[in-house]
Amino acid sequence: TQLLEQSPQFLSIQEGENLTVYCNSSSVFSSLQWYRQEPGEGPVLLVTVVTGGEVKKLKRLTFQFGDARKDSSLHITAAQPGDTGLYLCAGGGSGNTGKLIFGQGTTLQVKP
Amino acid sequence: DAGVTQSPTHLIKTRGQQVTLRCSPKSGHDTVSWYQQALGQGPQFIFQYYEEEERQRGNFPDRFSGHQFPNYSSELNVNALLLGDSALYLCASTLGQRFYGYTFGSGTRLTVV
Repeated sequence: TQLLEQSPQFLSIQEGENLTVYCNSSSVFSSLQWYRQEPGEGPVLLVTVVTGGEVKKLKRLTFQFGDARKDSSLHITAAQPGDTGLYLCAGGGSGNTGKLIFGQGTTLQVKP
Repeated sequence: DAGVTQSPTHLIKTRGQQVTLRCSPKSGHDTVSWYQQALGQGPQFIFQYYEEEERQRGNFPDRFSGHQFPNYSSELNVNALLLGDSALYLCASTLGQRFYGYTFGSGTRLTVV
């Protein structure tokens, strides 16, 4: 059974601080996706990484896919209150079809 | 361009009852997947429908069933509701079963009392 473990589960920081969220598995995934979810809403896709070692940047957010395609990280620079939310990583299997396996999520609170 | 639409947004049911949740996919999408998200957890895959057939199923009992209509919309049915079925039920649509380009709806919050 493929599992994704996210850490930390909860993170409360001050505006302007940097943070990193980790997503780890013992299984290989064909791709990793990161989502952000706000209360009462569905997850919104932030990025998809598909190549081992790949790094993608989205403004203040940097995403990395591990060389072995078993882990990923999300780094936020100079966090802002608008970054507050639930961050979810999700892994896909071969063929890019079917289900996504989600981690349990990281709840981020950025205080002004 | 409408995204994924789910109805109802909230629902309260009694143990043992049956419930039907509905989903209209994003325009241009033909595949619908359903996920269950318990409070404080990540979504768990229930099943996926493509070409009006269930294509893949997660680790959920037969009490959970679904349907896809010719217009690609979908229903999720849950029979004999248990307290543990209380969750946010999310519908995600995509094209051709691919999980690239998933678009999620805002979900239906089901409370079983």
